[in-house]
Amino acid sequence: DAEITQSPRHKITETGRQVTLACHQTWNHNNMFWYRQDLGHGLRLIHYSYGVHDTNKGEVSDGYSVSRSNTEDLPLTLESAASSQTSVYFCASSESGSTDTQYFGPGTRLTVL
Amino acid sequence: QKEVEQDPGPLSVPEGAIVSLNCTYSNSAFQYFMWYRQYSRKGPELLMYTYSSGNKEDGRFTAQVDKSSKYISLFIRDSQPSDSATYLCAMNKAAGNKLTFGGGTRVLVKP
Repeated sequence: DAEITQSPRHKITETGRQVTLACHQTWNHNNMFWYRQDLGHGLRLIHYSYGVHDTNKGEVSDGYSVSRSNTEDLPLTLESAASSQTSVYFCASSESGSTDTQYFGPGTRLTVL
Repeated sequence: QKEVEQDPGPLSVPEGAIVSLNCTYSNSAFQYFMWYRQYSRKGPELLMYTYSSGNKEDGRFTAQVDKSSKYISLFIRDSQPSDSATYLCAMNKAAGNKLTFGGGTRVLVKP
């Protein structure tokens, strides 16, 4: 069955370190998204991509970067982790021409000490 | 002010009761409206999808959209303990545009 996976599921890191969160989907979806979820803020869009080599900034993109070298993967990099980036991160994907039905991964819980 | 507002709850109801959830929004350009359900420590999953104003029913779930009031609702009839989850509304301006989510309402259905 097609699916979307994230790794690691849990990560503890220190302030200033570079961290990369992986997202892999097997639906062959062109659209992929990264969100963070925090109490009181719901899901906030970090970056998104509509296809290979396409990336776009979301509403909370500062301190994060993504690159899309193939259809299946959209890794999220925190260049220099900050305590404010402690959160749960969700990756999602959807078919071309529609971002309405997004399929979410299980999430990565990141703690920055 | 957030574009989409949603009461965080928790909303606690006895099994069998009707659960009523709602979101308000400020941007009249929103055209497509969705409800996602998120169980604890899981990713959200799409529950209901509606376009513009009107009602949509799917089993025990009914979604309503009132664009004139910028207000959307989700009703869950004959609620079950398995309905205990966080419910997030989401919307966008056109098919293919990125989604804007509400903060989510946590629902507890007690046996």
